[in-house]
Amino acid sequence: QQPVQSPQAVILREGEDAVINCSSSKALYSVHWYRQKHGEAPVFLMILLKGGEQKGHEKISASFNEKKQQSSLYLTASQLSYSGTYFCGTEIGAWGATNKLIFGTGTLLAVQP
Amino acid sequence: DTGVSQNPRHKITKRGQNVTFRCDPISEHNRLYWYRQTLGQGPEFLTYFQNEAQLEKSRLLSDRFSAERPKGSFSTLEIQRTEQGDSAMYLCASTEGQGLYGYTFGSGTRLTVV
Repeated sequence: QQPVQSPQAVILREGEDAVINCSSSKALYSVHWYRQKHGEAPVFLMILLKGGEQKGHEKISASFNEKKQQSSLYLTASQLSYSGTYFCGTEIGAWGATNKLIFGTGTLLAVQP
Repeated sequence: DTGVSQNPRHKITKRGQNVTFRCDPISEHNRLYWYRQTLGQGPEFLTYFQNEAQLEKSRLLSDRFSAERPKGSFSTLEIQRTEQGDSAMYLCASTEGQGLYGYTFGSGTRLTVV
């Protein structure tokens, strides 16, 4: 039931782009994205609801393909501050909210100068 | 509002002892969640409350775990007869309404069972 994220880890140079994928075996109602820095709490980035919409602000955006039960997070022109572990949190449910998130396996992102 | 507050930040206990953690959510948030996180893993769902009602508890959660949220304000998570496998970071999160603005997590309580 836990969503699978890929890649498991990625190393970038400042200014490079990255894509993180989240794939579920269950129908999804919504997908959240969080970033967690070492020793800190996860921080909410964005939410995507059923409908295949793409959201984002500035250099971080995401898409949600409900038919494929997948979401992708796009990081453009990465900055050092983007480093951390990224988790997708999925709300499983074809017909409505289930009001709890199941988190993915995580993707470790390291941005180097 | 200072966000979600968890106490204590760290807890070291001997195997077999009982421990209790406290979470103070953001005051206007009606939903409160407990998650457990081990190193390198994503947070694992334990239970959640809507106001004072506990609406769901993970099937994987042992009977040694119990949570309360009296009066729909702060919440406590108790673990009885702790085992070494209980060692983890216990995260509390809160959200408003349907969670459309995301979950706000506390800094967690790190439990070490020796």
